[in-house]
Amino acid sequence: DAKTTQPPSMDCAEGRAANLPCNHSTISGNEYVYWYRQIHSQGPQYIIHGLKNNETNEMASLIITEDRKSSTLILPHATLRDTAVYYCIVSATGANSKLTFGKGITLSVRP
Amino acid sequence: KAGVTQTPRYLIKTRGQQVTLSCSPISGHRSVSWYQQTPGQGLQFLFEYFSETQRNKGNFPGRFSGRQFSNSRSEMNVSTLELGDSALYLCASSWGQGSSYEQYFGPGTRLTVT
Repeated sequence: DAKTTQPPSMDCAEGRAANLPCNHSTISGNEYVYWYRQIHSQGPQYIIHGLKNNETNEMASLIITEDRKSSTLILPHATLRDTAVYYCIVSATGANSKLTFGKGITLSVRP
Repeated sequence: KAGVTQTPRYLIKTRGQQVTLSCSPISGHRSVSWYQQTPGQGLQFLFEYFSETQRNKGNFPGRFSGRQFSNSRSEMNVSTLELGDSALYLCASSWGQGSSYEQYFGPGTRLTVT
């Protein structure tokens, strides 16, 4: 079973920031938070990951709370092409680790 | 750099038949993972191959098997197909073994079992 809880859906206006929440209250000390997204009819795409510090790359920012029990993925300027299912995944590192996808959150960006 | 390619993209099979799906990873990637995606169960991990050896396995029956070749290309086989095997099968490649390496997914093979 997935170790994360995400709302089923949300929407935001094009050009505005999209803040996607994720709860992972049972996260262990050695587990990372990963975000992937899946645009309709395509394979998932890696976005970002982090352990405890906030992370930023060209796609998004990841804010992890100090107790690490929740995180927020921020798309700073959402576009229509960001409409997708976003998966928050918690996983340990190591050779036997694997991605366990939950249901994700469907983000709809409206014009 | 070319992305992950999967062949065929679409496939229709009959119950009881077997099927082989192919995945070519990104050049230089040594790990290939396979996933099954259905509307009911979502994305589920099947197995991961690294250096021609299965390193990790999900909770699927033995009808699902795979292999990896020396050039890192991978095949997945499903024997004695059931209606419930209808799904999108995705493969993902990465440089190293395990989830800590960024996974690059292919477009998937859509399998329909009738």
